Amino acid sequence: QVQLQESGPGLVKPSETLSLTCTVSGDSISTYYWSWIRQPPGKGLEWIGCIHYSGSTNYNPSLQSRVTISVDTSNNQFSLKLSSVTAADTAVYFCARGWVYFTYWGQGALVTVSS
Amino acid sequence: EIVLTQSPGTLSLSPGERATLSCRASQSVSSSYLAWYQQKPGQAPRLLIYGASSRATGIPDRFSGSGSGTDFTLTISRLEPEDFAVYYCQQYSSSQRTFGQGTKVEIK
Repeated sequence: QVQLQESGPGLVKPSETLSLTCTVSGDSISTYYWSWIRQPPGKGLEWIGCIHYSGSTNYNPSLQSRVTISVDTSNNQFSLKLSSVTAADTAVYFCARGWVYFTYWGQGALVTVSS
Repeated sequence: EIVLTQSPGTLSLSPGERATLSCRASQSVSSSYLAWYQQKPGQAPRLLIYGASSRATGIPDRFSGSGSGTDFTLTISRLEPEDFAVYYCQQYSSSQRTFGQGTKVEIK
């Protein structure tokens, strides 16, 4: 069974960089595209970007200047970095498998941006 | 960017009733690239429908999707207690993915 688990700090200071890692089990990361999606509290879903195991990436244009997604095939993980965060980046961050639609999701990690 | 508008915002129905949810796109979307998700409080979304009308693995047949171009519909034929949740449509086009704002199906 495919499982994804997000990990990383739950609190980030304004202007700093948010960093999250998604660990995949039950599947090889070298077979699909993998995505990050976020959801501000009480709001809808926003796709952040995706990565192929080869390292090829595709980002949401609204976040592209601040986002970096990378992959670590040896540990079956992929990661998200979002720089220069503000309170507007406070959200639950989900990792998911897929690039057109998303078949498996992690449980989500709440990241709060606050001093 | 293609904007997806879902209606109604909230649907108040009783168990056993039929639910019809709408998703309208600002530009034509390939049917192959339209999906629906269900999200319950505190949980991740769950893929219900992909390719506008194909049910994902393990999804009961009371869920069905239809539509093409700019108008898509998710139908739940008979609401079960576990179906009360928020539903999102999502599209892929020009290397971008966007979600609708969601429709909440609540118990009347």
